[in-house]
Amino acid sequence: QVQLVQSGAEVKKPGASVNISCKASGYTFTTYYIHWVRQAPGQGLEWMAIINPSGGGTSYAQSLQGRVSMTTDTSTGTVYMELTSLRSEDTAVYYCARGGRKQWLTNFDYWGQGTLVTVSS
Amino acid sequence: QSALTQPASVSGSPGQSITISCTGASSDVGSYNYVSWYQQHPGKAPKLMIFDVSSRPSGVSNRFSGSKSGNTASLTISGLQAEDEADYYCISYTRSNTLVFGGGTKLTVL
Repeated sequence: QVQLVQSGAEVKKPGASVNISCKASGYTFTTYYIHWVRQAPGQGLEWMAIINPSGGGTSYAQSLQGRVSMTTDTSTGTVYMELTSLRSEDTAVYYCARGGRKQWLTNFDYWGQGTLVTVSS
Repeated sequence: QSALTQPASVSGSPGQSITISCTGASSDVGSYNYVSWYQQHPGKAPKLMIFDVSSRPSGVSNRFSGSKSGNTASLTISGLQAEDEADYYCISYTRSNTLVFGGGTKLTVL
């Protein structure tokens, strides 16, 4: 069965970086795009980024340009998302989600369990 | 890119129908059929309920339906049930080659 398993919770200081992993299984990793979505406490969902596991092409939300990057390891079916220069407002649950076979489809049919990142001095 | 506009809250009694709107612009909802809806219960990951404006994934009740007119997409839930109480989010592709979510709507089943 399809599963996305994310790495565990992180506590970081302002200005630091965080790297979250998302390991996919149960399907052919390179045939579906992966998205990252975050949710601050008590707030709504925010789309962050998309990566094509086949080739590594990426696109990012304008609000995060320059601070977010993603890579993939096709040998393990894992996507890595790094967010740098952390601020308190980056405190959120971060989700990876499986998108479609085409780049901009919005049907995220499988989600990771979420990774809580807390930014605090 | 500003978030799509959704009502903060809607409510209805069991058995009734409710509609949640999602208003964007000609640069997103109005020009593309890449609009989906998600249901999120507290502490859980979102669940896909409608994609491509009006398509329903397998396993999702046919009480959930989607539509679009101009720059506004809508999610309708008929025959409201207690388990439908949750937050609902729309999302759309935008001309800027990004995706944008709505602000979310809290559905209360009275």
